[in-house]
Amino acid sequence: QVQLQESGPGLVKPSGTLSLTCAVSGGSISSSDWWSWLRQPPGKGLEWIGQIYNTGSTNYNPSLKSRVTISVDKSKNQFSLNLNSVTAADTAVYYCARTSGNYWGAPFDYWGQGTLVTVSS
Amino acid sequence: DIQMTQSPSSLSASVGDRVTITCRASQSISSYLNWYQQKPGKAPKFLIYAASSLQSGVPSRFSGSGAGTDFTLTISSLQPEDFATYYCQQSYSIPYTFGQGTMLEIK
Repeated sequence: QVQLQESGPGLVKPSGTLSLTCAVSGGSISSSDWWSWLRQPPGKGLEWIGQIYNTGSTNYNPSLKSRVTISVDKSKNQFSLNLNSVTAADTAVYYCARTSGNYWGAPFDYWGQGTLVTVSS
Repeated sequence: DIQMTQSPSSLSASVGDRVTITCRASQSISSYLNWYQQKPGKAPKFLIYAASSLQSGVPSRFSGSGAGTDFTLTISSLQPEDFATYYCQQSYSIPYTFGQGTMLEIK
């Protein structure tokens, strides 16, 4: 059973960089899967941020692409999110999730529990 | 981007009721439609993939249907644990997008 766990600062200053890590257990990040970041502002819906494959290949949401970097660390079995130039609008619960790479159109089948990041001075 | 629109945004129902939630895509997404259930303070839980395939362990009272642009999630007989917010999500093209959610409340 794959498990994902987000970690990182819960408070980031405006114009700063939000950095989160997702540790993967019960499975290998080098498997044929895609690893995503999503977010959910308080009381609102879900937004997909981007995804990474174990080769380092990435796809990003165009709405955030200029500010986002997702990277993978196979030696630690984890992947990371960096979001720069943050504003209060980036305050959200951030989730990491897995999509099977075995077939097109796979759902987000495993999720982390989420971590709240607040952007405030 | 493909826009996903759910209706209704909220719904009040009683235990034992049959409820249907609708999701419409702004363009055809074939059957690349997934449904999730989210309870307060929890991560979404994946229920249905490919429009109508039930994830292992999900009760059979949940069912999905549709193709192209119009999809439905049906709960045949509501149980107390089903009161939650439901989201549809298209996995046809990047960026992946979600509906705005349907909050299912106890009447």
